[in-house]
Amino acid sequence: DAKTTQPPSMDCAEGRAANLPCNHSTISGNEYVYWYRQIHSQGPQYIIHGLKNNETNEMASLIITEDRKSSTLILPHATLRDTAVYYCIVRLTGANNLFFGTGTRLTVIP
Amino acid sequence: NAGVTQTPKFRILKIGQSMTLQCTQDMNHNYMYWYRQDPGMGLKLIYYSVGAGITDKGEVPNGYNVSRSTTEDFPLRLELAAPSQTSVYFCASSYDGSKDTQYFGPGTRLTVL
Repeated sequence: DAKTTQPPSMDCAEGRAANLPCNHSTISGNEYVYWYRQIHSQGPQYIIHGLKNNETNEMASLIITEDRKSSTLILPHATLRDTAVYYCIVRLTGANNLFFGTGTRLTVIP
Repeated sequence: NAGVTQTPKFRILKIGQSMTLQCTQDMNHNYMYWYRQDPGMGLKLIYYSVGAGITDKGEVPNGYNVSRSTTEDFPLRLELAAPSQTSVYFCASSYDGSKDTQYFGPGTRLTVL
């Protein structure tokens, strides 16, 4: 099981920040939160990951609550090319794979 | 670097036919994976490998076989194709398995009629 809960779909206006929530209330202390996205028909693409501190890279920011039971992926200035399915994944410690749920389908609207 | 490459891009099989999906990576990654994705669903792990000569089952291994004779290649074999194996197949690789980023190939779309 994916151990995460995400809304099935969201819309965002082009140029605005897209905030994608994820609940992972059963996360363990040494489990990481990963975000991947899948643009239509392509292979998933890594975005960002974190353990307990907030993280930022050239693609996005990841905000993890202090109790680690939820997180938010932020795309600061969404473009049409950000339209994709976004997967929030809790990476099991020592596991060699990723458990994908059904993700959030983000549609960026012109 | 080409990253992870997969061939073919598309294939139609008849029930009972066999085929091999090819996957190659040029990043010298130790770990390689095969996933399948059914329409509207997330990816499910079929098999993975932690290095040449070592493979292990994932979540949905039935009906498939794999081998890992080299670091670069990780072919997936379907011996007796069934309609339930109609799916998009993704290969991925990573340097380390525990928390390293996985890099995915473009996928192979397989239809079994």
